[in-house]
Amino acid sequence: EAGVTQSPTHLIKTRGQQATLRCSPISGHTSVYWYQQALGLGLQFLLWYDEGEERNRGNFPPRFSGRQFPNYSSELNVNALELEDSALYLCASSLAVDRILPTFGSGTRLTVV
Amino acid sequence: AQKVTQAQTEISVVEKEDVTLDCVYETRDTTYYLFWYKQPPSGELVFLIRRNSFDEQNEISGRYSWNFQKSTSSFNFTITASQVVDSAVYFCALSDRNSGNTPLVFGKGTRLSVIA
Repeated sequence: EAGVTQSPTHLIKTRGQQATLRCSPISGHTSVYWYQQALGLGLQFLLWYDEGEERNRGNFPPRFSGRQFPNYSSELNVNALELEDSALYLCASSLAVDRILPTFGSGTRLTVV
Repeated sequence: AQKVTQAQTEISVVEKEDVTLDCVYETRDTTYYLFWYKQPPSGELVFLIRRNSFDEQNEISGRYSWNFQKSTSSFNFTITASQVVDSAVYFCALSDRNSGNTPLVFGKGTRLSVIA
């Protein structure tokens, strides 16, 4: 069974640009979560999608947004990139009824220069 | 509000030493889950254990053991006879069933370096 896959693995963008990160959940999982892991800050919850809808978002500005597609894959968009957006972005998925045990992907490392 | 504190930012031990990683949590709810994840250099979070708030039995899995104490709101993780492959960042996390749509809340992690 394939795990949670994220693409790209690495992404380098210039300040002010937009970044799009992608996540494919484990087959059968309907919930997708996004976390940001910036240096020294641990994992910060960004967004949670379930059945195509945004269920919750963390304390991040509106330029962080995303969506979930009918096949449950998800996209995270970061607009107007700032240097402090440089981080590892982790996606996780879970069954809707067992959202308390998500499986994580290997992440996308975003570098803003 | 939920909070997880991992006071140890970095720990360095010599191979074969035992090491304990501390985790202290805060929650107002009586039903919750605690987790430990391992993050090797590859970046992926590897699930190690989940315990619910009603099960205070300590658990042992090979060289790993966990000590859950509700009285001190702690869920500590011990690696016995550490090995170089144990070098990673370890995260403690909390999920609070009664807090609505809030997924896992993580501590800031403890970086463990095991030196040969």
